[in-house]
Amino acid sequence: ELKVEQNPLFLSMQEGKNYTIYCNYSTTSDRLYWYRQDPGKSLESLFVLLSNGAVKQEGRLMASLDTKARLSTLHITAAVHDLSATYFCAVDMFEGAQKLVFGQGTRLTINP
Amino acid sequence: ETGVTQTPRHLVMGMTNKKSLKCEQHLGHNAMYWYKQSAKKPLELMFVYSLEERVENNSVPSRFSPECPNSSHLFLHLHTLQPEDSALYLCASSLLGHFSGYTFGSGTRLTVV
Repeated sequence: ELKVEQNPLFLSMQEGKNYTIYCNYSTTSDRLYWYRQDPGKSLESLFVLLSNGAVKQEGRLMASLDTKARLSTLHITAAVHDLSATYFCAVDMFEGAQKLVFGQGTRLTINP
Repeated sequence: ETGVTQTPRHLVMGMTNKKSLKCEQHLGHNAMYWYKQSAKKPLELMFVYSLEERVENNSVPSRFSPECPNSSHLFLHLHTLQPEDSALYLCASSLLGHFSGYTFGSGTRLTVV
C-alpha cells in the first residue's frame, strides 16, 4: 500500500523567511503533484513533476522530485502572507486510471 | 471556476434521508473521482471511474453509491448516512494518459444530523 507522508504538518513562519516542506512516499513512482487548498475551498494544482530530477518554479515556490529517494520538496522563498494555505503532495499509483494518493497536508501560516 | 462543477455546495441531511451529489465536467476528461476530506483524515479516495467504468471502490460503505452515466457526469447517491460521514466531498477529473493531475471541483460540504 502506497503511503505518502508530509513533514511538517503545521508550519508558522514570518514573512521574508525561507522554508521547505517535505513529501516522502513509500513505493516507486515518478509522478508527483503539489496542490494548494485555501480554507473552505477546493484544491488548486501547483506543480506537476513527472521525472527524476524534475524542478518547477512559480513565483516564490519551487518544487523538486528525487524518485530514487522517493522524496519531493516544496521550497518557499521570502514568504509572503498570501502563501498561507494548506499544501498537499500527491503520488500517482496509476492502476487503471490516474490514482492519486495524497499526503496529510501541511498547513502553512505566514505572519506579517 | 475550475471546469469541474459540483452541486450542491452545501447539504444538510438527516440520517434517514436520501440525497445525491452531482459533479459535471466539460474539459474532455475521461476519468472521474470522488474523494472525502474530513478534519481527522487526509483526502480519502472513494471511487474511480475510468472511461465510465468503475475501477476502484476503496472499501466504501454501501450507503454511498456512485453513478457515472457518461464521461461528463458523476453522481454520489447517499442514503442512511451517519454523523461521521459529515465531510467535504470533492469530485475530480483527469485525462487518461496525460498525467497532468486532477482538476478538482469546489466540493460539497455535507453535514449529517
